[in-house]
Amino acid sequence: GAGVSQSPSNKVTEKGKDVELRCDPISGHTALYWYRQSLGQGLEFLIYFQGNSAPDKSGLPSDRFSAERTGGSVSTLTIQRTQQEDSAVYLCASTLEVSYEQYFGPGTRLTVT
Amino acid sequence: GNSVTQMEGPVTLSEEAFLTINCTYTATGYPSLFWYVQYPGEGLQLLLKATKADDKGSNKGFEATYRKETTSFHLEKGSVQVSDSAVYFCALRNSGNTPLVFGKGTRLSVIA
Repeated sequence: GAGVSQSPSNKVTEKGKDVELRCDPISGHTALYWYRQSLGQGLEFLIYFQGNSAPDKSGLPSDRFSAERTGGSVSTLTIQRTQQEDSAVYLCASTLEVSYEQYFGPGTRLTVT
Repeated sequence: GNSVTQMEGPVTLSEEAFLTINCTYTATGYPSLFWYVQYPGEGLQLLLKATKADDKGSNKGFEATYRKETTSFHLEKGSVQVSDSAVYFCALRNSGNTPLVFGKGTRLSVIA
C-alpha cells in the first residue's frame, strides 16, 4: 500500500520567507509526527498529533514554527520568516495505534539561502 | 530526561568484516528500543526493535539485544556487505505513541 508521502521533496527559499511543508500519512494511521534532521544535530522531534487530542508541541524550536493536521489526515508544517539555521531535512512519520511502529516519509530538504 | 548516545562515525569496514555500533540510553521507565537505517537517497526505515529487557531484535543479519543492566542496545552484524552502507540510528520510545528519541546516527561505509 501507499506509504507516507511528503511534498515538496526539495525546497529552496530566501531568508525571511515563509514555507509550508506537507505530509500525507498512511490512511488510517491515527498519530502523526514531525521530526527535523540537521547536520550535527541528528533527528529532533518537533510536534506530534494523536487523534483529536491537542498536539504535543514541545519540540518546536521557536514560535516561527507551527503545524496543523486537517481532518485527522494531512498535516502542514509552516515555518515563518525562515532563517539559515532552519535548513534541514524535515521528516514526517505516522503510526497505526495498535502496532505503534512509526513509518517515515522520504522527507523534505529545506535550504534557506 | 530521555536520551540516546551512539558511537560517532563514520565507520569504514571491508566487506565481510564484523560490525558493532554501540548504543546506550537514559530513560525513565521501560522504553522500547529501535534501530533505524537510512540508505543513501532513501527515507528512514525500521531495521529492528526490542520491547523489553533481554529481548533480541534481528533482521537482515543484524542483531541487537536489549540490556537493561548496561542500558545498551548495540547493533551487530557478523559479515557486512557493500549494500549495508547507510546511516544507522538508535532510538527509544517510552510508551505507546510517544515520539521517538534518536541518537545522532552513525554512518557506515563498506568497501569491497
